[in-house]
Amino acid sequence: DIQMTQSPSTLSASVGDRVTITCRASQSIDSWLAWYQQKPGKAPKLLIYKASSLQSGVPSRFSGSGSGTEFTLTISSLQPDDLATYYCQQYSGHWTFGQGSKVEIK
Amino acid sequence: QVQLQESGPGLVKPSETLSLTCTVSGASISSDYWGWIRQPPGRGLEWIGHIYNSGSTKYNPSLKSRVTISEDTSKNQFSLKLTSVTAADTAVYYCARHSYGIGLGSWGQGTLVTVSS
Repeated sequence: DIQMTQSPSTLSASVGDRVTITCRASQSIDSWLAWYQQKPGKAPKLLIYKASSLQSGVPSRFSGSGSGTEFTLTISSLQPDDLATYYCQQYSGHWTFGQGSKVEIK
Repeated sequence: QVQLQESGPGLVKPSETLSLTCTVSGASISSDYWGWIRQPPGRGLEWIGHIYNSGSTKYNPSLKSRVTISEDTSKNQFSLKLTSVTAADTAVYYCARHSYGIGLGSWGQGTLVTVSS
């Protein structure tokens, strides 16, 4: 089965910083990758699909890139509301989630 | 707007069967993919399985021997059964909709299921 490895597991950044989270697939998944934001006690929220398409209503400071096995989620200017855990998910056949990246505000 | 709502017992005894139902409004479960995802307390998301194409299913290999996902199109519901549960199955269970190629765009609020005697 396809494994997804996310890094870092935790990051601390200041408001206004550019933040990048990486997700690596154990084999090619083309662009069948999504990113989710999860706040404590809430269901995950879809941010990005097909690796780089922004879900409707999601702020434009979020962007995704990559294909094949290497993917990134970028927050161009970190905001206090972005405090959350972020997950990647591949949906090439079976589904698999990354282990999550917790974003903390300095 | 699509809404999903999980329902079922919040407490299940070890070795018994966990049963949950997801009721969908605003969309037909006859199209798209409908999945179950769980999250143990303080941990990450784990895909359990999903149903699509009027009854086809895919399951997480690590759970496949214990999982059954089924649907009732007349009620616009789909269900999860997980047999022989242990404390390791304690988690918040979510149901979610995956539109083809777009990812899990709609989620239920989640329901905590605790496995304990």
